[in-house]
Amino acid sequence: ETGVTQTPRHLVMGMTNKKSLKCEQHLGHNAMYWYKQSAKKPLELMFVYSLEERVENNSVPSRFSPECPNSSHLFLHLHTLQPEDSALYLCASSQVLPGAANPGYEQYFGPGTRLTVT
Amino acid sequence: AQSVAQPEDQVNVAEGNPLTVKCTYSVSGNPYLFWYVQYPNRGLQFLLKYITGDNLVKGSYGFEAEFNKSQTSFHLKKPSALVSDSALYFCAVRASGSARQLTFGSGTQLTVLP
Repeated sequence: ETGVTQTPRHLVMGMTNKKSLKCEQHLGHNAMYWYKQSAKKPLELMFVYSLEERVENNSVPSRFSPECPNSSHLFLHLHTLQPEDSALYLCASSQVLPGAANPGYEQYFGPGTRLTVT
Repeated sequence: AQSVAQPEDQVNVAEGNPLTVKCTYSVSGNPYLFWYVQYPNRGLQFLLKYITGDNLVKGSYGFEAEFNKSQTSFHLKKPSALVSDSALYFCAVRASGSARQLTFGSGTQLTVLP
């Protein structure tokens, strides 16, 4: 176990549904991330939160809405998704020092949520 | 812009033989390089990283990687493969001026044959 948990592990939803993915980290880190992993494609960084503030949003459609209520929890709210959104959604966390003083830090990943949009 | 290339989608090796998983990168400035492994139905697990210093980096489970600046490569190696090493391997790079963005390759599926 990496100290990062994700629920649910599997989710099937229709295109008109609203659902949320949850991520929790028990590592005391100050940054959290959402990634999308599709088959045979590089991991796509979706959102970055540092100290509970969203610091990066890589042109993700508005049907994905992140929320970071505190440094240990991260949510991804989903609504009116498309079939091409089916993928493995990975959460990660890390400890980032102020001023990017430690660019060599690694990220710790959760097991992912396998999402299928029907 | 930074990028990572993993030229092989699939690598097969016999158990007990040495293995190499290739990675090349492109980045402005000094690179910070990482290898992650993903087992079925699991998230990515950190293996090793290169920040500075010795070009040969040792990591978890007997893996090591060699940083080659002139060839912009960071190949993952293991002297003797195990069947349990079969997994999906990702190379990643972060530029020295970037605090957050980590760019991943598309992954290489390693299969170790008994």
